[in-house]
Amino acid sequence: EAGVAQSPRYKIIEKRQSVAFWCNPISGHATLYWYQQILGQGPKLLIQFQNNGVVDDSQLPKDRFSAERLKGVDSTLKIQPAKLEDSAVYLCASSLEGVAGGEQFFGPGTRLTVL
Amino acid sequence: KQEVTQIPAALSVPEGENLVLNCSFTDSAIYNLQWFRQDPGKGLTSLLLIQSSQREQTSGRLNASLDKSSGRSTLYIAASQPGDSATYLCAVRGSSNTGKLIFGQGTTLQVKP
Repeated sequence: EAGVAQSPRYKIIEKRQSVAFWCNPISGHATLYWYQQILGQGPKLLIQFQNNGVVDDSQLPKDRFSAERLKGVDSTLKIQPAKLEDSAVYLCASSLEGVAGGEQFFGPGTRLTVL
Repeated sequence: KQEVTQIPAALSVPEGENLVLNCSFTDSAIYNLQWFRQDPGKGLTSLLLIQSSQREQTSGRLNASLDKSSGRSTLYIAASQPGDSATYLCAVRGSSNTGKLIFGQGTTLQVKP
């Protein structure tokens, strides 16, 4: 079974530029998550989708971050404009069950460096 | 507000030793708890998931326990090997109807040959 795919794996940009990350979850997984992991910390949830609807985006900085999940499958996370403090690993995860259950499986992440 | 703490932050042991990693959480109303492994520059690999109704889960040399009432979980690694060197993260899912995981900051383990 293929795992969660993410691209790109690495991205270096200058502050105030924009960047987009892509995630393809495990086939059949209805729930998709984007987490931000700053160096030395545990991941923090940015946004959760159930199919193509948003379940939780309470910690997403909506003035600069946006995310969408087209047709309930792939998802993109965008940052515009980027700040230095956005340097982190962006992890995508998916789970099989509905909103309240299920083991989460993570992709390899995208490491973003903002200069 | 749920907070998850992992102690110690780093641990170095000789090969072959049995070891215990600790995870504590402030709100006992959890849905489940998951232990992950993270290798440098890589994503998270799920090791064990314990539902709130369970007391422990085992996979190979790994055993995870859960004591909801005291807000604690432990990950026991038997006969440690250099290949076990990684960062271990625990995460709890609250009992609300979202799947959000709250992570600890991790324990970085080094197993010396």
